[in-house]
Amino acid sequence: NAGVMQNPRHLVRRRGQEARLRCSPVKGHSHVYWYRQLPEEGLKFMVYLQKENIIDESGMPKERFSAEFPKEGPSILRIQQVVRGDSAAYFCASSPRDRDTEAFFGQGTRLTVV
Amino acid sequence: GDSVTQMEGPVTLSEEAFLTINCTYTATGYPSLFWYVQYPGEGLQLLLKATKADDKGSNKGFEATYRKETTSFHLEKGSVQVSDSAVYFCALEGGGADGLTFGKGTHLIIQP
Repeated sequence: NAGVMQNPRHLVRRRGQEARLRCSPVKGHSHVYWYRQLPEEGLKFMVYLQKENIIDESGMPKERFSAEFPKEGPSILRIQQVVRGDSAAYFCASSPRDRDTEAFFGQGTRLTVV
Repeated sequence: GDSVTQMEGPVTLSEEAFLTINCTYTATGYPSLFWYVQYPGEGLQLLLKATKADDKGSNKGFEATYRKETTSFHLEKGSVQVSDSAVYFCALEGGGADGLTFGKGTHLIIQP
């Protein structure tokens, strides 16, 4: 009975390195959402993907950030050339259909940039 | 744009006390409203929701009523337990963007 699985749970990167965060949705779910939680802030929507398509990336920074959800395998959130301000908790959620907001959340990946 | 404002924490109560966590929102149209809970070390879980005005969501003794006239969705519980200690997030969906718009979260601490 696997829910949304995110890995790693904790990730430490030096400034300038790349961070890759993985999210395996609930089996059978084809919609994935990524959120970022900065210290003392609520969760902020970043990107909404379906299999092989980016539906809405209006919350994603224009540079250094990218996301994919391939036909096979997990969704990946990639941050290139990380900076200290990227330090945050990144949460993934999945749902079985469009705008079904009873989404299931993963435990998050806590990224620390040193 | 859409926004959610909820009371700052931490909120510390004794067991069996009455709980209210305030939440107000601004949004275009008629959003759906949610409360999520995050227990230590876990992901967010949907606690309850309401999809239209005057709807009351309820679960595990928690309740919240969608008040369109005051744009509020306050969370209440009549008698809290130590196991209710967690972070509670108010959220909305249905504005211009996909995904949920969250408040900053309220850390609730229940003391025995």
